[in-house]
Amino acid sequence: KQEVTQIPAALSVPEGENLVLNCSFTDSAIYNLQWFRQDPGKGLTSLLLIQSSQREQTSGRLNASLDKSSGRSTLYIAASQPGDSATYLCARGGAAGNKLTFGGGTRVLVKP
Amino acid sequence: NAGVTQTPKFQVLKTGQSMTLQCAQDMNHNSMYWYRQDPGMGLRLIYYSASEGTTDKGEVPNGYNVSRLNKREFSLRLESAAPSQTSVYFCASSSRVQPQHFGDGTRLSIL
Repeated sequence: KQEVTQIPAALSVPEGENLVLNCSFTDSAIYNLQWFRQDPGKGLTSLLLIQSSQREQTSGRLNASLDKSSGRSTLYIAASQPGDSATYLCARGGAAGNKLTFGGGTRVLVKP
Repeated sequence: NAGVTQTPKFQVLKTGQSMTLQCAQDMNHNSMYWYRQDPGMGLRLIYYSASEGTTDKGEVPNGYNVSRLNKREFSLRLESAAPSQTSVYFCASSSRVQPQHFGDGTRLSIL
């Protein structure tokens, strides 16, 4: 069974500090790796998608890396802000029909 | 843009009742998905439809049925609700190589 793990489950940082969120997966034969944000009571919003042929993707203050050989992806959020407080989920995309396997998420609190 | 719309947003059922969760997308996506989200379990795929006219089981299909009514709509049916199906249900859609777009969810409680 494909598994995706996110540790820690929760994280609290002061405003301005850089955030580093970890994601590990058991099968290196992935199609893509996706990062999502979820606010309380809401659905998921896509942040970054890294294709299996890529090593990283960047969008503004966000940067995600992918290392298939070690089965890891890392999401970096630079200069965190209170508005970054949310749960961040990573998901491994399989080859068939873009089916996603999700990690349990990391709940982030950025303190003013 | 509406994106992915799910109805209803909240529902309480009694054990044994049936209901259908509705999902519609206006992004002309081929693929649609149903997930459930439970505390400590993350999101798990129930069923998906890679294209209009096709459906396939995901990780946790037991107790559910789906219908891909047309390209826009993908419904999830609980024929005989059980307390174990209390969850938040999310519908999503995507084109083949693009990220999935999610609705805001249906919060379902089964007593």
